[in-house]
Amino acid sequence: AQSVSQHNHHVILSEAASLELGCNYSYGGTVNLFWYVQYPGQHLQLLLKYFSGDPLVKGIKGFEAEFIKSKFSFNLRKPSVQWSDTAEYFCAVSHSGNTGKLIFGQGTTLQVKP
Amino acid sequence: GAVVSQHPSRVICKSGTSVKIECRSLDFQATTMFWYRQFPKQSLMLMATSNEGSKATYEQGVEKDKFLINHASLTLSTLTVTSAHPEDSSFYICSALEPGGDTEAFFGQGTRLTVV
Repeated sequence: AQSVSQHNHHVILSEAASLELGCNYSYGGTVNLFWYVQYPGQHLQLLLKYFSGDPLVKGIKGFEAEFIKSKFSFNLRKPSVQWSDTAEYFCAVSHSGNTGKLIFGQGTTLQVKP
Repeated sequence: GAVVSQHPSRVICKSGTSVKIECRSLDFQATTMFWYRQFPKQSLMLMATSNEGSKATYEQGVEKDKFLINHASLTLSTLTVTSAHPEDSSFYICSALEPGGDTEAFFGQGTRLTVV
């Protein structure tokens, strides 16, 4: 069965610390990969996505992610977090050609201390 | 980005009643919308794919008679939770897919349903 696993459920960092959130997936065939963020009380917002091409993807707000096909991974990184990055982060996968049908990871709560 | 609006944002209903949740794409036409359910501290689980002008496609384990989906226009899909029970209490989120090739889905703000 298709699944997405996020390694960290709750991460606490100080401002300016570096961030890496792990995401692994189990999915046959060609995939599209996404990271979404949900700020308190707000919609899910797309941070970045990978469909094809350069496996290092840059998103909004200084986030980036690297698709490593051999490891079935799509880890999210940011070199220096800010207090405003406090949010819930979701990794998601879809089958190529069906980008709306998403399988989500369980989410990671990031708390950044000022 | 495109805007998807979900209404209501919160609803409390009595056990045995039905509740309708609306999902609208405000600035684009969406032939396909999706409904997800999120339990506390858990991930979003896809419930069904809503197709304009045709029947919804439900994921395994989702009761189609309990969760009625109607996608009567290119900008509106509705989810009706019929004969709601406390175990149906959850956070329901819709998304709408922009037309075209490999595009992204845009999410509504979600509806918190509490059945008492």
